[in-house]
Amino acid sequence: QVQLVQSGAEVKKPGSSVKVSCKASGGTFSSYAISWVRQAPGQRLEWMGGIIPIFGAPNYVQKFQGRVTITADVSTSTAYMELSSLRSDDTAVYYCARDSTLVGIFDYWGQGTLVTVSS
Amino acid sequence: EIVLTQSPGTLSLSPGERATLSCRASQSVSSSFLAWYQQKPGQAPRLLMYGASSRATGIPDRFSGSGSGTDFTLTISRLEPEDFAVYYCQQYGSSPRTFGQGTKVEIK
Repeated sequence: QVQLVQSGAEVKKPGSSVKVSCKASGGTFSSYAISWVRQAPGQRLEWMGGIIPIFGAPNYVQKFQGRVTITADVSTSTAYMELSSLRSDDTAVYYCARDSTLVGIFDYWGQGTLVTVSS
Repeated sequence: EIVLTQSPGTLSLSPGERATLSCRASQSVSSSFLAWYQQKPGQAPRLLMYGASSRATGIPDRFSGSGSGTDFTLTISRLEPEDFAVYYCQQYGSSPRTFGQGTKVEIK
């Protein structure tokens, strides 16, 4: 049974950084892609980027270029998303999602991590 | 970037009724690379459909999808109590992957 388990909720100050983890079990971690999708209050889902662990090179949405870093540790089947220079409008639930097709279909999702940015 | 617009914003129906949800793209979605997800309050999205008309594993056959180009439809033939939720379309034919703003299916 495929499971993606994310780290817990975070409260951060504007200008700081946050790092969210996503530990996978079931399936072969290195052979599928992991993406990060966020959902701000009342807003649509927003894809931030992703990584195929076996290749290691991440792919970022231009909007987040320079602020987001997505990495993966194959030895622990864990993916990470770090977002820096946080602003209040980064307050959102951040999801990791598995893409086993490698074309952008998100077939399994983590439970979500609420990141609140507040002074 | 492809912008997806879903309609209606809210659909008020009774259990047993048919639900028809629309997703329109600002430009053609290549190879019908369109997916649908269901999201319930406090939960992560769940994949329902991909390739516009293929059901994901474990999805009941009361869910069906159709469409191509810029116009896509998700149909729920007979609403069950567990189907009341928010539904999102998503295109994966071009980068960045984008989502619609969602349609809420609520109990009338």
